[in-house]
Amino acid sequence: DQQVKQNSPSLSVQEGRISILNCDYTNSMFDYFLWYKKYPAEGPTFLISISSIKDKNEDGRFTVFLNKSAKHLSLHIVPSQPGDSAVYFCAASVGGGGADGLTFGKGTHLIIQP
Amino acid sequence: KAGVTQTPRYLIKTRGQQVTLSCSPISGHRSVSWYQQTPGQGLQFLFEYFSETQRNKGNFPGRFSGRQFSNSRSEMNVSTLELGDSALYLCASSRRSGGQLPGELFFGEGSRLTVL
Repeated sequence: DQQVKQNSPSLSVQEGRISILNCDYTNSMFDYFLWYKKYPAEGPTFLISISSIKDKNEDGRFTVFLNKSAKHLSLHIVPSQPGDSAVYFCAASVGGGGADGLTFGKGTHLIIQP
Repeated sequence: KAGVTQTPRYLIKTRGQQVTLSCSPISGHRSVSWYQQTPGQGLQFLFEYFSETQRNKGNFPGRFSGRQFSNSRSEMNVSTLELGDSALYLCASSRRSGGQLPGELFFGEGSRLTVL
């Protein structure tokens, strides 16, 4: 049973437009969420995170929105750039001292078209 | 600052063999986690070590084991390899200590294991 779901395996967006990547979770105990970006032949790199006490967190072109009632979060990239083409993983954790590892979604391959 | 280093980068084994993968975390990071990445399952948590102690373990059979040394370097071992063990094995380190949020994980480039 997948606790973190990224239902879109791939997404194609035109350069300069907004990219919206979605993520759903089923475990109501999750209270900390992260997004990672992965290029081929490299390990994932941390992008942005959000705690469940917030509903929005911004970092430059990247904004993550959290809707706890819907158990849904999204990553917005504005404007999208060619270097944003990568696989994006949503991850969740039970924080507050828990030693559980991160639970990842299967990833969404974002393709930015020129 | 040197990143997370994993060795070997690529290796090929046959069914029934065993394999040991190594991970050197970022200097000062005491937490090391291991993940398995496969096309069908994405990234799955294997285990986490902190101060030479395994703090948590994912849902993997006992053939998967690991350890951490006093210098925070970690190894993972897979015994009696099966075809389904073919995957990218990723190591990640963090500053995280007990009682803190997971925070940011710094991943290595991974060790790509192929089992024939």
